[in-house]
Amino acid sequence: EAQVTQNPRYLITVTGKKLTVTCSQNMNHEYMSWYRQDPGLGLRQIYYSMNVEVTDKGDVPEGYKVSRKEKRNFPLILESPSPNQTSLYFCASSLMARGNSPLHFGNGTRLTVT
Amino acid sequence: ELKVEQNPLFLSMQEGKNYTIYCNYSTTSDRLYWYRQDPGKSLESLFVLLSNGAVKQEGRLMASLDTKARLSTLHITAAVHDLSATYFCAVDMEYGGATNKLIFGTGTLLAVQP
Repeated sequence: EAQVTQNPRYLITVTGKKLTVTCSQNMNHEYMSWYRQDPGLGLRQIYYSMNVEVTDKGDVPEGYKVSRKEKRNFPLILESPSPNQTSLYFCASSLMARGNSPLHFGNGTRLTVT
Repeated sequence: ELKVEQNPLFLSMQEGKNYTIYCNYSTTSDRLYWYRQDPGKSLESLFVLLSNGAVKQEGRLMASLDTKARLSTLHITAAVHDLSATYFCAVDMEYGGATNKLIFGTGTLLAVQP
């Protein structure tokens, strides 16, 4: 089944403890992106990647890192999480960086930082 | 700065009624997407609108795009309970550009009452 898989689905951590949220897609998509969803703010883009080894900042990149060493994987790294990073995170992918194909979203990771 | 505004933010409607959700954006764009999100779930692509005057229909939902007015509408015909969800529009801010950089509206929570 074609899908974007995020892990974990739920994560509770403490301030300053490094964590990684994994994202993997099995559709051979070039483009991958991370969003955070907060009430009243919609979805905001954190980082995106147009292809392997090509990443760029979105609108809210502070406090996050990403890497794209393989086409299928795009992990999101929080080196020193803070409470303002408590949010619902979505990974998404699309066939090309630009074109007619919409984004395919993962099921989300709900992160709580205390 | 590109802004995407949806209204209404919350819509309670009766089954069988018609209504329209509006998505206004503040700068030139040539593509717009509509997504649906069920409570606690991921986002699912509904429509991709790629040109001025584009109209797409799927079941009881019809989306249209007027790039000159910078407006997209999502029209609901004869609503049923299964349409209850949050609907997001997303505008590609890279007009004529090369990246899939979407700005999402804040969403419209639709509740269809029997």
